[in-house]
Amino acid sequence: EAGVAQSPRYKIIEKRQSVAFWCNPISGHATLYWYQQILGQGPKLLIQFQNNGVVDDSQLPKDRFSAERLKGVDSTLKIQPAKLEDSAVYLCASSYDRGGTGELFFGEGSRLTVL
Amino acid sequence: GQQLNQSPQSMFIQEGEDVSMNCTSSSIFNTWLWYKQDPGEGPVLLIALYKAGELTSNGRLTAQFGITRKDSFLNISASIPSDVGIYFCAGLPNTGNQFYFGTGTSLTVIP
Repeated sequence: EAGVAQSPRYKIIEKRQSVAFWCNPISGHATLYWYQQILGQGPKLLIQFQNNGVVDDSQLPKDRFSAERLKGVDSTLKIQPAKLEDSAVYLCASSYDRGGTGELFFGEGSRLTVL
Repeated sequence: GQQLNQSPQSMFIQEGEDVSMNCTSSSIFNTWLWYKQDPGEGPVLLIALYKAGELTSNGRLTAQFGITRKDSFLNISASIPSDVGIYFCAGLPNTGNQFYFGTGTSLTVIP
């Protein structure tokens, strides 16, 4: 079974530029998550989707971050404009459990450096 | 958000030694997950716990769901160099649908 796929693995941009990350969850997983992991910290939830609907985006900085999951499968996370403090690893995870209470399976992450 | 206190923050041990780490919260949790993260990689699920008192093993790893439902423990027996990495706990509160992560325990195994 293929795991969660993410791209790009690495991205370096200057502040005020924009960036987009892509995620393809495990086949059949209804719930998809985007986490932000700052160096030395545990992952922090940004947004949770169930199919193509948003379940929780309370911690997403909506003035600069946006995410979509149009067809209930792939998802894109965008940052525009980026700030220095956005430097982090952006992890995508998926879960089979439709209630969002099942085990999370993570991708390898997309490491963003903002200069 | 929920605070999960994970300890110790880091450990340096000799190969062959046993390791114990724990995760505590002030709230009651329904699910505990334990992950290992290698440098430059995403977290990999090690063990999932769903019931208070549950004890589950995965090879040399054993995890327990605390009876109070406010803590969880992970033990690694007879450590080997490939156990090196950062171990995270994640908990699902009984009042929510979001997993919260601990700050991680960094494990170094000295051959």
